[in-house]
Amino acid sequence: DGGITQSPKYLFRKEGQNVTLSCEQNLNHDAMYWYRQDPGQGLRLIYYSQIVNDFQKGDIAEGYSVSREKKESFPLTVTSAQKNPTAFYLCASSPDRVYGYTFGSGTRLTVV
Amino acid sequence: KNEVEQSPQNLTAQEGEFITINCSYSVGISALHWLQQHPGGGIVSLFMLSSGKKKHGRLIATINIQEKHSSLHITASHPRDSAVYICAVHTGTASKLTFGTGTRLQVTL
Repeated sequence: DGGITQSPKYLFRKEGQNVTLSCEQNLNHDAMYWYRQDPGQGLRLIYYSQIVNDFQKGDIAEGYSVSREKKESFPLTVTSAQKNPTAFYLCASSPDRVYGYTFGSGTRLTVV
Repeated sequence: KNEVEQSPQNLTAQEGEFITINCSYSVGISALHWLQQHPGGGIVSLFMLSSGKKKHGRLIATINIQEKHSSLHITASHPRDSAVYICAVHTGTASKLTFGTGTRLQVTL
């Protein structure tokens, strides 16, 4: 079955370390997105990519980096510059600009 | 003020009750999504609307573009409906979604 796979589900890291969250999709979707979710807040867009080898900053890109070398993969790196990295991270994809969003199951990152 | 407002924030219902969750938005949109998030965190897309009404099983979603308002209804609610329901809208030219903060629904026996 087609879908989005995020790994790992839970991730613990020490403060000051970079960490990369994986997002893979086999839906043949062009667009992929990373969102951050904090308690009591709506999901906020970190980065998005509408085509391979191209990506755009979202509303809260500072302290994060991404790459889109393959259509299927859109990894997110949380760098040590991110002031408050502990959060729930969701990856999503869509076949075009509006329709058919599919979400992954998320990665809960805890920085200690 | 958030661009997308949901009400209520929390909702407790007894099994069998009819439930309504509301979403109001303040900007022009091209489409509105209703999403369901279970305690594990994964999100499932329930509906995407640009006009009118959609129904899937016990779920009904409506949208009034002129009033900038959408509702999600659950008929004959069941404990397995317990989840956070999130409204999200497409705005602007990029394919970004703006999300509400969600409505936490608890259905008890």
